[in-house]
Amino acid sequence: SAVISQKPSRDICQRGTSLTIQCQVDSQVTMMFWYRQQPGQSLTLIATANQGSEATYESGFVIDKFPISRPNLTFSTLTVSNMSPEDSSIYLCSVYHRGFSNTEAFFGQGTRLTVV
Amino acid sequence: GQNIDQPTEMTATEGAIVQINCTYQTSGFNGLFWYQQHAGEAPTFLSYNVLDGLEEKGRFSSFLSRSKGYSYLLLKELQMKDSASYLCAVRALNSGNTPLVFGKGTRLSVIA
Repeated sequence: SAVISQKPSRDICQRGTSLTIQCQVDSQVTMMFWYRQQPGQSLTLIATANQGSEATYESGFVIDKFPISRPNLTFSTLTVSNMSPEDSSIYLCSVYHRGFSNTEAFFGQGTRLTVV
Repeated sequence: GQNIDQPTEMTATEGAIVQINCTYQTSGFNGLFWYQQHAGEAPTFLSYNVLDGLEEKGRFSSFLSRSKGYSYLLLKELQMKDSASYLCAVRALNSGNTPLVFGKGTRLSVIA
């Protein structure tokens, strides 16, 4: 299995500011995925972070709002920029690693963001 | 497009059996996953199906019919700690690195 350390676990931020979320994996992985989970909703994919190339963003998400870094095969950051109350969500990073299904998705603990 | 449907909420009694259904329409298929998520926590893996049939894992079983685009998660001998959201997710394309597409989740309440 893969162990993913994500921080901060929670934060309360002022609107208009930015927050950077870090995700550290205990093994090298090709891709890291960033999801958002709004209150009472399921997980929505924001982007896929590839080491050595630009992140691939899903429809409705743009790099200016959610810049991503992937400096190596074990680490990634997601920044939520110019925050508004609508950005209040749980943000989760995820990786694939060999597990029960051979390529099972593992998740970090999540970052609970509240924008006031 | 991708579409995954599951009931929003279910309630069941401690000690009973509950079945949570999931239907999907995706552009491809490379496995269906069930995750459990307690409030305020990250999802944790429960089961995986890529071939038709039933996979059993202790109190939890999962079934898949690819021709019908249908799966269910069966929870037996329900315990209070099973109160959580259950997420159905599909890996839509034929690549091990394709991100999962999640349904909206089913919130299960186990009552005494």
